[in-house]
Amino acid sequence: KNEVEQSPQNLTAQEGEFITINCSYSVGISALHWLQQHPGGGIVSLFMLSSGKKKHGRLIATINIQEKHSSLHITASHPRDSAVYICAVSIQGAQKLVFGQGTRLTINP
Amino acid sequence: ETGVTQTPRHLVMGMTNKKSLKCEQHLGHNAMYWYKQSAKKPLELMFVYNFKEQTENNSVPSRFSPECPNSSHLFLHLHTLQPEDSALYLCASSQVLAGGRDTQYFGPGTRLTVL
Repeated sequence: KNEVEQSPQNLTAQEGEFITINCSYSVGISALHWLQQHPGGGIVSLFMLSSGKKKHGRLIATINIQEKHSSLHITASHPRDSAVYICAVSIQGAQKLVFGQGTRLTINP
Repeated sequence: ETGVTQTPRHLVMGMTNKKSLKCEQHLGHNAMYWYKQSAKKPLELMFVYNFKEQTENNSVPSRFSPECPNSSHLFLHLHTLQPEDSALYLCASSQVLAGGRDTQYFGPGTRLTVL
C-alpha cells in the first residue's frame, strides 16, 4: 500500500461543476504538494502547504494535519482544467517527495 | 514554460544502445532531480544532486548513470536498458535541497521506449 493515496482515480464532470480531489497519507509529513500534469507530460506545481488553506484563482487546497488528509478543489471547472492532478508529500526526516498515483480529471464542455 | 528544458522529448532505443538524456535549468537553482514515471505507477525519485554532488540514489540499477557537471545541467546516461525501463523520465530543479519542502520545477520529460 502506497504511503499516499488519492481518490478518485478518475473523475469526469461537466463544465462549471465544483470539483474535489482527495489525498490521504499515512506518515508524518513536513509539507504537501499538489501538482498538475497535462497530457504532454509536463508537471506544474500548484500548491505547497503545511497547514490550513491556500487559494489561487479557481483552485483551493486544504490540509488537515491531524486527519492526514488534503483536498484540492476547483470551482467553476473548465475543459482546460482537464489534466492529471498529483498529490505528493515530504516525509519528515526524509529528503524526498513521495507521490500519489494521480487523479485523472476530464471536464466536458 | 517552467525554465527547465529536456532533450530529446522522445527516444526509441534498442537494448544494446547507449544514449543520454539532457536536462538544463535556467532558474539559478542548486538542486536537481531525475524522476521516472511508468504507466499506472506513481512518480519515482531516481537521483538527487545538490550543488553538483549526488545526495540520493534511490536504488537505481547501474544501467542508469547520472552526471551533473554544473548546477544548471543534468544528464542521465543509459546503456543496456530493458523493455521495462520504458517510461517518461522527468527532470526537476529547486532553489535549495529542502527534502521536498521547496517547490520543484519540472521539465517536459523524455518519453523513452526500449525495444
